Amino acid sequence: QVQLQESGPGLVKPSETLSLTCTVSGGSINRNYWSWIRQPPGKGLEWIGFISYRGGTNYNPSLKSRVTISVDTSKNQFSLKLNSVTAADTAVYYCARYYCTNDICYYFDYWGQGTLVTVSS
Amino acid sequence: QSALTQPASVSGSPGQSITISCTGTSSDVGSYNLVSWYQQHPGKAPKVMIYEGSKRPSGVSNRFSGSKSGNTASLTISGLQAEDEADYYCGSYAGSSIWVFGGGTKLTVL
Repeated sequence: QVQLQESGPGLVKPSETLSLTCTVSGGSINRNYWSWIRQPPGKGLEWIGFISYRGGTNYNPSLKSRVTISVDTSKNQFSLKLNSVTAADTAVYYCARYYCTNDICYYFDYWGQGTLVTVSS
Repeated sequence: QSALTQPASVSGSPGQSITISCTGTSSDVGSYNLVSWYQQHPGKAPKVMIYEGSKRPSGVSNRFSGSKSGNTASLTISGLQAEDEADYYCGSYAGSSIWVFGGGTKLTVL
């Protein structure tokens, strides 16, 4: 059973960089795609982006200029960096496995429990 | 890329059936059979209930079914149970390796 766990600071100051890591257990990070999704308090889900096991990435156009997703296969982890944050970036951040085969991606099948990141001075 | 459109809320009594719609465009829902539906209970992570429009992952009740017509996908829950009360989100592949979610629908079991 694949399990994901987010980790990182719960409080980030405005204009600084939000950094989160997702540790994958129960399965290899290789031959899979991995994604970050966020949910502002009381609001809906927003897809942030994904990274493939080969390191290819793609991001939500609305966040693309501020987002970087990377993978560390030796640690079975992938990470999110979001720079120049504002209060609007306050959200629960989820990491998830993006189920893909033959480079067609279908759905998010395993999710972390989520971590709340608050942007405030 | 705009969010898919879902009703803010739906409700039904135990045993009844309800349907939640998810309207996109010809660039996302209408072009790909890659709509999935997620159930989210308060304080919990979302859980996939339907993928590829109408397929159920192992372990998901057959009371949940999905369909699509044109640019609109639908999730139907039959034989409503109290445990079905949750938020439901649709999502779709939108081309160019982009994914988009709906705004979410709150299901109340009366």
